[in-house]
Amino acid sequence: KQEVTQIPAALSVPEGENLVLNCSFTDSAIYNLQWFRQDPGKGLTSLLLIQSSQREQTSGRLNASLDKSSGRSTLYIAASQPGDSATYLCAVSGSARQLTFGSGTQLTVLP
Amino acid sequence: ETGVTQSPTHLIKTRGQQVTLRCSSQSGHNTVSWYQQALGQGPQFIFQYYREEENGRGNFPPRFSGLQFPNYSSELNVNALELDDSALYLCASSLDTGRNNEQFFGPGTRLTVL
Repeated sequence: KQEVTQIPAALSVPEGENLVLNCSFTDSAIYNLQWFRQDPGKGLTSLLLIQSSQREQTSGRLNASLDKSSGRSTLYIAASQPGDSATYLCAVSGSARQLTFGSGTQLTVLP
Repeated sequence: ETGVTQSPTHLIKTRGQQVTLRCSSQSGHNTVSWYQQALGQGPQFIFQYYREEENGRGNFPPRFSGLQFPNYSSELNVNALELDDSALYLCASSLDTGRNNEQFFGPGTRLTVL
């Protein structure tokens, strides 16, 4: 059974810092990995999707990497802003097509 | 292109009642998945529908059931509501092309069971 862990559970940084969020998964037989952002009480916004054959994806100030063999992914956020404050979730998809989520990292960027 | 929509946004029910939640897929998508998200947790997979057939189910009891319609919209039905069913219910749609099944989520329905 696939299990996804996100560390840390919460993170508080001053504005302008670069930061890294971590995600690990137990079963390396994945099709892809997605990073999502969730604002309080809201739905999920897809940030980046990395196919199992890829090593990284970039979108603006976000860069996500994937090391399938070690079961790890990182989300790098450059020059953080208060508007980046949200919960960040990673999820993996395998042959069953369903997404298995971690519990998220709650990020607060202080002005 | 219209995104994923869900209705209602909020719902309050009492224990033992039944509820129906609705989801409209993103245009062109043929697959709908439903997730339950308890406060402070990541979403948990309930089930998925592909071309009107159930295509996978998570660890949820049979009182959680669903439908997908010819236009690929979907319903989630929950019978005999329990207090622990209080959660945010998320619908996601995707175009199932095999391995590349990026899922796009709706805003969710917040269900409160009293």
